[in-house]
Amino acid sequence: GDSVTQMEGPVTLSEEAFLTINCTYTATGYPSLFWYVQYPGEGLQLLLKATKADDKGSNKGFEATYRKETTSFHLEKGSVQVSDSAVYFCALTANAGKSTFGDGTTLTVKP
Amino acid sequence: GAVVSQHPSRVICKSGTSVKIECRSLDFQATTMFWYRQFPKQSLMLMATSNEGSKATYEQGVEKDKFLINHASLTLSTLTVTSAHPEDSSFYICSAKISGVNTEAFFGQGTRLTVV
Repeated sequence: GDSVTQMEGPVTLSEEAFLTINCTYTATGYPSLFWYVQYPGEGLQLLLKATKADDKGSNKGFEATYRKETTSFHLEKGSVQVSDSAVYFCALTANAGKSTFGDGTTLTVKP
Repeated sequence: GAVVSQHPSRVICKSGTSVKIECRSLDFQATTMFWYRQFPKQSLMLMATSNEGSKATYEQGVEKDKFLINHASLTLSTLTVTSAHPEDSSFYICSAKISGVNTEAFFGQGTRLTVV
C-alpha cells in the first residue's frame, strides 16, 4: 500500500536558520503530495501542495518540489521564525481520495 | 472554495454515552468522505471511508459497531462514537473529496473528544 516516510524529529533550530524536513513516499499511480502544519491543540492546515512531477509548492516562505525520480517531497524554508514552531506532516493523496500521512516532525524554533 | 466544516470542535462526554460528530462540505458535493483518528503526538490514521448512500468501508481493526458512520447526503457525513470510553478520547478529523477528483481531499478542523 501507499506509505510516507518523514524525517524523524524533533527538530530544534535557532531563528533565521535554514530548515529541511525530508519526506519520501511510495505509492501506486500518480499521487498528489502535501505538507500540512498542526499547531498545538488545533487541526490540520494545508501548507502547500504539488499535484504532478516537478511541480513546486510554496507558501509563507516554505517550498517543496515533487521529485518523481527520487519519490521525494522535502520541505524547505530559508529562514525560520519562532512562529513556525509546530508539527509538520507530509502526506499523499491517491487511491480515490484517501490520504496517507507521515509520522509528523515537531519543529521548535528558538529566538 | 472547497471548505469542509466539522462540528463540534471540542466535546467532553461521560463514559457510556454516545457522541455524534458532523462533517459538512460547504461549497461542493462530496460523494466520498473519510474519517481519521489522531492519538496524542502521533500521526493520523484512516478509520473509514464514508460513501454517500451506501455503507461505510472500515479499515482493519476499526470496530464498525462502535464507530457508526452515516453519509446521508452529498454534503454531510456523521461519525457516532457509541458507548464511549476513556480510551476513545482522541482527535477525530474528516476529509472530503470533490466528486471526480481523486487526488485531493479537503480536511475539516477536527474534533477533540474527551471521555471522562
